[in-house]
Order: sequence, then C-alpha cells, then structure tokens
Amino acid sequence: QKEVEQNSGPLSVPEGAIASLNCTYSDRGSQSFFWYRQYSGKSPELIMSIYSNGDKEDGRFTAQLNKASQYVSLLIRDSQPSDSATYLCAVNMDGGFKTIFGAGTRLFVKA
Amino acid sequence: DARVTQTPRHKVTEMGQEVTMRCQPILGHNTVFWYRQTMMQGLELLAYFRNRAPLDDSGMPKDRFSAEMPDATLATLKIQPSEPRDSAVYFCASGLVQVSNQPQHFGDGTRLSIL
Repeated sequence: QKEVEQNSGPLSVPEGAIASLNCTYSDRGSQSFFWYRQYSGKSPELIMSIYSNGDKEDGRFTAQLNKASQYVSLLIRDSQPSDSATYLCAVNMDGGFKTIFGAGTRLFVKA
Repeated sequence: DARVTQTPRHKVTEMGQEVTMRCQPILGHNTVFWYRQTMMQGLELLAYFRNRAPLDDSGMPKDRFSAEMPDATLATLKIQPSEPRDSAVYFCASGLVQVSNQPQHFGDGTRLSIL
C-alpha cells in the first residue's frame, strides 16, 4: 500500500461545477496535510493546509480532513478553466519532518 | 517574495558525465528537501536536511547520487556517473520546521536530460 494515495484521474468537470479531489494516507500519526497545485511544466505551489478534523475554507477552496478515516479531500467551487492542473496531496510523516506526496490527480475544467 | 532558487534550470548531458544541481533555500528556513519527478513515479523524496545535517537519504541511489549542504545558503545534489534513467525534473524545497506543520516551498526545478 502506498503511503499517500490519490486517484490519478483525469477528472473532468464543466466550468462552474464543483470539483472534488480525494486522498487517503497510511500513517495514523500524521498531523499535517497539504494540497499543492502543479501546472504543466511548473513547480508545485501550496494552495491549502489543514491540521484539524473538519473543514477549512479559503475562497473557492475547501479542504476536509477526517483523521479517523485517514482521508483528506479538496473541493473547488465554481471551477474555472484556470484550475486545470494536477493537484498533489501531501502528508507529513515521521514526526512531521518528512513529507510524502501522492501521485496527483489531473483536473480538467471544460469551458 | 522569498523564493527557493535552483540552478541550472535545464541541463542536457551525455551518459557518464557528472551532474551538479544547486539550490539556495529561503533565508531562515532550516529544512531542505530534494525531490525527483517523472511521469511514471510522480514526486519522489530523495533526501532532506535539517539545520544542514542529513536526516534521510534513503530515497536516493547511493552508488551514484550524493547530497550535501556545505552552508545554510547552498544545497547540492550530484550524480556521478549519470545514466539515461536519471532524466527527470529535480526539485528543491525548503521549509521552517520548528513545529511539524509547516509546508514546504518549491524551487522552479532543474530539468535534466541524460543522452
């Protein structure tokens, strides 16, 4: 079992719809979780971080965390073509000093 | 805006040559990570340093790869001898790890092609 798992996609949604991206992780002791966005040919950029169970909202983005189920998700409301990218889930492990990334989910938003 | 700086941005060389990639972390960050990204494997952690000390390099092929941090402003990743399978994008990232929940910030990467 991989330490951080994501559906590779591609996930295709129409403009204006909600995109839902999911991630599961193996280390029950993990405390810090991040979502990065990576455009083709570019480096990953941080878009959300979450540390407590529940929802965290930032603009059109909502991160959701359920530590009991070892599950993290990212919702993108009112999806725009500019949201088309690969979204990487990242989880801190080994006491917080090691970050493991999932393989990423490719998102396409159709105009 | 503080940024992680990586050089070179692109490198094309022949098999067997030595390759050195450099990274200047964000000033004040105490942790530096090296990643390799390919289409097949995704983003793989190769090695990381905290306060310039290597903490984990288990993701790195030891026979040909080496990572060092000679001072707080410079981290290096060397491949000697290079092989075509080393072709990938290599990212450096830095973070401030005083509490565990700080995210990393990535450089623009070095796109490496070994012919």
